[in-house]
Amino acid sequence: QVQLVESGGGLVKPGGSLRLSCTASGFTFSDYFMNWVRQAPGKGLEWVSYISRSGNTIYYADSVKGRFTISRDNAKNSLYLQLNSLRVEDTAVYYCARAFPKGGYDYGFDYWGQGTLVTVSS
Amino acid sequence: DIQMTQSPSSLSASVGDRVTITCRASQSISSYLNWYQQKPGKAPKLLIYATSNLQSGVPSRFSGGGSGTDFTLTISSLQPEDFATYYCQQIYNTLSWTFGQGTKVEIK
Repeated sequence: QVQLVESGGGLVKPGGSLRLSCTASGFTFSDYFMNWVRQAPGKGLEWVSYISRSGNTIYYADSVKGRFTISRDNAKNSLYLQLNSLRVEDTAVYYCARAFPKGGYDYGFDYWGQGTLVTVSS
Repeated sequence: DIQMTQSPSSLSASVGDRVTITCRASQSISSYLNWYQQKPGKAPKLLIYATSNLQSGVPSRFSGGGSGTDFTLTISSLQPEDFATYYCQQIYNTLSWTFGQGTKVEIK
């Protein structure tokens, strides 16, 4: 069965950095576009970043552009998000999500991980 | 960026009620509209993609419609397990995939 498992969250001071990981199993990881989506405590969903199957095409939300970097390692079935220059407002649960359909993204995100909490506080 | 506005923000309904949630886009998004359900402490779940297509395993009491800027999610007969928060999402603008602010469906 398809599984996405995030890790790497934690407490960090403003201006600090973290690297989130998402390990995929149960499907051919290299066949799918992948995304990060976050949710601040008690708030709605915010799409953060997207990466194509090969990693050649990447998009970011304006709120994180220049501070966050998405990457993937298809040999390790893993997706990453490097978070730099963190701000209090980056505090959220970060989810990795698989784009649907296979080889595309027009139909949304069909599988999500359980999320990893990032808390930015002094 | 394309803004997505859901209404209402919350609603109270009883088991068996017919419930409709509306999502409006700030510009036309054709049929690039998806719906998700999220329960407390859980990841979102894709319910409907491309406006009206039911994701595999989703009960047929859920349906979606609309086009252009106005879309709806309808639950024909609300069940206890349907009490949750629902989000719409546009996939039209490939540089920024925005979600609506959410609609919380509560028990009356």
